[in-house]
Amino acid sequence: GAGVSQSPSNKVTEKGKDVELRCDPISGHTALYWYRQRLGQGLEFLIYFQGNSAPDKSGLPSDRFSAERTGESVSTLTIQRTQQEDSAVYLCASSLDGTGNEKLFFGSGTQLSVL
Amino acid sequence: QKEVEQNSGPLSVPEGAIASLNCTYSDRGSQSFFWYRQYSGKSPELIMFIYSNGDKEDGRFTAQLNKASQYVSLLIRDSQPSDSATYLCAVKEYGNKLVFGAGTILRVKS
Repeated sequence: GAGVSQSPSNKVTEKGKDVELRCDPISGHTALYWYRQRLGQGLEFLIYFQGNSAPDKSGLPSDRFSAERTGESVSTLTIQRTQQEDSAVYLCASSLDGTGNEKLFFGSGTQLSVL
Repeated sequence: QKEVEQNSGPLSVPEGAIASLNCTYSDRGSQSFFWYRQYSGKSPELIMFIYSNGDKEDGRFTAQLNKASQYVSLLIRDSQPSDSATYLCAVKEYGNKLVFGAGTILRVKS
C-alpha cells in the first residue's frame, strides 16, 4: 500500500475484554515497530520486528500484551484482559531495513478506549 | 532518569523568530538522532536526522549534535504559524530501539 495502515482506527471496549490491533506496513519494509502514546505524552516503545522475528520485546508492559508478525507483512498487537490504563493511541511504524538509521513511517494509529 | 528528556513547553515564539528546541539523552553509545513533528491528532513525521557532531541544515531547520554533552537541538528559522506542533526528539539505542522523548509543544504566534 501507499502508507502504513492500521485498523481499527477507533476501538471502545469493556474492561476485561481482549482486543486485537492490526498493522499493515509499507510493502517491502522489513522493520516494524509498535508504540503507545497516552494523552499528552510521548511515544512509549512496545516492540520491534525485523522480518518475522522480534529482537526487542522489552517495552511490552505486561504479559497481557503480545504481538506477532507473519509473512514479513501484517502485524497484530493483542491485549488480553484490558484495563483502563491501557487506554491510549497505539501507533505502528515501518522502515525499510531496520538498521534504526532510517526514516520511520507511521500509521494513523488506533485509539483504544477501555471503559 | 528518563532516557530522552525534553522540556514539555509550551515554547511560544513570534512569527519570523528563531525557535530553539532542546533534547538530552542518557545512552552515551547512541549514534543516531532524529526530530519528528507531530500535529495535534496526527501521527509523527520525520523532519531531520543527524549522526555526526556539529550542525546539519535543511531549509529553515538546523539540527545540532554534541555527543560529549549528550545534547541535541533543533533550530527553526523564520518560524511560521504552521510550525506550531509538538516536536519529538528520538534517539536510536543499542539494537535499533528508537526511544522518543515526551515532546516539546511549540506555538508560533502571528
